[in-house]
Amino acid sequence: GESVGLHLPTLSVQEGDNSIINCAYSNSASDYFIWYKQESGKGPQFIIDIRSNMDKRQGQRVTVLLNKTVKHLSLQIAATQPGDSAVYFCAESNDYKLSFGAGTTVTVRA
Amino acid sequence: DAGVIQSPRHEVTEMGQEVTLRCKPISGHNSLFWYRQTMMRGLELLIYFNNNVPIDDSGMPEDRFSAKMPNASFSTLKIQPSEPRDSAVYFCATSEGAGGTEAFFGQGTRLTVV
Repeated sequence: GESVGLHLPTLSVQEGDNSIINCAYSNSASDYFIWYKQESGKGPQFIIDIRSNMDKRQGQRVTVLLNKTVKHLSLQIAATQPGDSAVYFCAESNDYKLSFGAGTTVTVRA
Repeated sequence: DAGVIQSPRHEVTEMGQEVTLRCKPISGHNSLFWYRQTMMRGLELLIYFNNNVPIDDSGMPEDRFSAKMPNASFSTLKIQPSEPRDSAVYFCATSEGAGGTEAFFGQGTRLTVV
């Protein structure tokens, strides 16, 4: 069946460095991709999204890249801060359904 | 807006008891989703409502689970009877329009069935 998955379950990054979180997807019919951040004890929080007809989208300190050729999605966080420590999920959308990946735990070292 | 409001935040109950989880969506959002999160299975969609009507309940595990949305301001997820394997964090999420784009999640209800 179709699935969304992440390359690495954990990522440790030095404060101030850039972070890159990767995600692979398999459903080529997905028309919309989203990154969520989940802090301990909280619900997932929307970070940024990208439609399938785009390759790149930038937000505040974050950039999402979509490579449809290899079905790969990445989230780049610039100048990582302690508050960026969380679990990051990629999700793909088909119509109304969001399918979430397993999540990558990002830990920021001071 | 206070966001999506779920209650209770924590629930501990004995096996066999009925459990009711509650959700108040963001005003104006007409799509509502119930998700379950566990370490083993991650985030799973249980049911999706649009304009208070259940559109897709294929994710509901079994007949012990039921969900209602009597109006645009309130939804419930009920488990009767509850079992230890139902222990999880249950999230309610809402979004504008008919799709799941930019869904806003509540804080979740952590359910423990002993």
